[in-house]
Amino acid sequence: GNSVTQMEGPVTLSEEAFLTINCTYTATGYPSLFWYVQYPGEGLQLLLKATKADDKGSNKGFEATYRKETTSFHLEKGSVQVSDSAVYFCALSKKTSYDKVIFGPGTSLSVIP
Amino acid sequence: SQTIHQWPATLVQPVGSPLSLECTVEGTSNPNLYWYRQAAGRGLQLLFYSVGIGQISSEVPQNLSASRPQDRQFILSSKKLLLSDSGFYLCAWSFTGELFFGEGSRLTVL
Repeated sequence: GNSVTQMEGPVTLSEEAFLTINCTYTATGYPSLFWYVQYPGEGLQLLLKATKADDKGSNKGFEATYRKETTSFHLEKGSVQVSDSAVYFCALSKKTSYDKVIFGPGTSLSVIP
Repeated sequence: SQTIHQWPATLVQPVGSPLSLECTVEGTSNPNLYWYRQAAGRGLQLLFYSVGIGQISSEVPQNLSASRPQDRQFILSSKKLLLSDSGFYLCAWSFTGELFFGEGSRLTVL
């Protein structure tokens, strides 16, 4: 079946460090891929997305590239800030009678000054 | 623009009491609607989804139920809460595979 695997952390980085959160997926066909972010006490919000192979999603300095050959969608940021502290969820979406979205377990990121 | 709201934001309920969480969406019609639960330190679990008024599909068996009395209204209910029902409940709607979440409702069952 369809699934998403991501490093669970927690990840602790110093401000301005480089961030990578690995995400791999298993799915038939060509799913859309997403990264969602959840700040403390809030709901999730979309960070970036990619809908086909080799697409690169980017937002707020974060990037992720849809790699079909390695079934991966790793999240990267060149220089993290304290305000990036949050939980990050990798997800895939398959269109059925509804939008079946499958989430990874989430990766908690703490950025310290 | 589209907005989604859910309430109450927090509630503390005794075991065995009823539950009603409400979610409304504005600015779109006939959205797909979802209820997710996030237990402490855990990922997201899809509880229910709905593709139209009165159409509810359950992903997991439990003592919760959902209803969609109007196009943009989605309600999560329980007749008798269990301790294990504690968690952060998120309503969402979708468009082209992307989910838009409400602010969440934190439920503590004592």
